Amino acid sequence: NAGVMQNPRHLVRRRGQEARLRCSPMKGHSHVYWYRQLPEEGLKFMVYLQKENIIDESGMPKERFSAEFPKEGPSILRIQQVVRGDSAAYFCASSPGQGHQPQHFGDGTRLSIL
Amino acid sequence: DAKTTQPNSMESNEEEPVHLPCNHSTISGTDYIHWYRQLPSQGPEYVIHGLTSNVNNRMASLAIAEDRKSSTLILHRATLRDAAVYYCILRVASYGNKLVFGAGTILRVKS
Repeated sequence: NAGVMQNPRHLVRRRGQEARLRCSPMKGHSHVYWYRQLPEEGLKFMVYLQKENIIDESGMPKERFSAEFPKEGPSILRIQQVVRGDSAAYFCASSPGQGHQPQHFGDGTRLSIL
Repeated sequence: DAKTTQPNSMESNEEEPVHLPCNHSTISGTDYIHWYRQLPSQGPEYVIHGLTSNVNNRMASLAIAEDRKSSTLILHRATLRDAAVYYCILRVASYGNKLVFGAGTILRVKS
C-alpha cells in the first residue's frame, strides 16, 4: 500500500527557471496539502486542494507560486522564476477526508536554487 | 494561531520510557490534540491524536489532562529510531484542515 509519493526527491534550478514538484496522494485520498520547510525553520502550510479545487491557499506566496490537483494525475506545485529564497524542502500530505483525520506525508522534494 | 508550548529538547536512554510534555492552555472544547514526528531527512509522520480521553496505539500513548490544558506523549520504550522532532499540534476548527507546526521537541536517544 504505497504512501504519498513525491518526485523528484531533489531538484536543482538556476535563478529565473521554473520548478515543478509532483505529489501522488495515497490511494483513496482526495485531499492534498503542501507545506514548506525553509532551512532552520519550521514547517509552514501553503495550500490545501481537493480534486480540481483549491480550498485554502492562505499560505501561498502571492506571486510566482501556484498549485493544482487535476481530476487525473498528481498534484503539482509550480514555482515560476525561482529565487534563492525558494530553496527549501517542500512536503506534500494527503488525507481521505476533512476534519481530524491524520495527514500522511511524503518524504519531500528538496529544492536548491543556484 | 492556537499556541502549544513544548520543551526545545529532551534526552532519553534507549529502552526507557519517554514522556514528552505539551502545554495548550488556550485550547477550546472542540480542538483535537495531534502529535506528529519528523525523523531526519523525512517528512512528518502522524503519531497519535485525541480529544478528551487518553489514547493508545501501536506507536505511543497520549495522556490528556483533565482540564485539557496539557498533554503528554508517552513512548513506552525508546529506541534509537525514535530520535526525531516531536510536534504537538492543536487541530482547530477555524484553521480548516491545515496543520500549524511549532518548533517541536528534539528528542535525543542515547544507547
